[in-house]
Amino acid sequence: GAVVSQHPSRVICKSGTSVKIECRSLDFQATTMFWYRQFPKQSLMLMATSNEGSKATYEQGVEKDKFLINHASLTLSTLTVTSAHPEDSSFYICSASAGSYEQYFGPGTRLTVT
Amino acid sequence: AQTVTQSQPEMSVQEAETVTLSCTYDTSESDYYLFWYKQPPSRQMILVIRQEAYKQQNATENRFSVNFQKAAKSFSLKISDSQLGDAAMYFCAYIGGSQGNLIFGKGTKLSVKP
Repeated sequence: GAVVSQHPSRVICKSGTSVKIECRSLDFQATTMFWYRQFPKQSLMLMATSNEGSKATYEQGVEKDKFLINHASLTLSTLTVTSAHPEDSSFYICSASAGSYEQYFGPGTRLTVT
Repeated sequence: AQTVTQSQPEMSVQEAETVTLSCTYDTSESDYYLFWYKQPPSRQMILVIRQEAYKQQNATENRFSVNFQKAAKSFSLKISDSQLGDAAMYFCAYIGGSQGNLIFGKGTKLSVKP
């Protein structure tokens, strides 16, 4: 149980385009979803927290107009990187919580912007 | 603010031997949870072990055990009978009882020598 999927696992896009990453909780209802960014050989950095039906809460320094987060249902959250640039290339990981302290992680999405 | 510190960027252990990874944290909360996550080359975050702060007994999961010293705010991970598959990045993480955000340490890269 407690499986979280992410799609796509890898994506390459051109500079200036937008890309959407999906995060789904497959066997539970996720009241809260989290989006992290991880640079090579570094730890996870929390970008934003989203609650179903509410606006996401962004961490300091994260541009909310660039990283659009939508949590329209209890099983789906999306992260859209708008007008992507090479510096947005990174590994993006989502996690989901059913309301307790436990978070379940997706397998991550590797974004490369050319 | 809560912080998590992993002072060992890299560690190495011989197969079948025992290794201990260090983690300290700082918090003023009395209710919290601590975790060790493993991130293999696939980059999927895998929960290794969790510890509730209110429990005095150290958590154990097969070959993995923790030494939880609440007064010293220390939470080390011991891996016994190390296996090649244990090679990975290990992250120590904290979550307070009153907030939903995981706080990660910088990680320790564990190598296992055959």
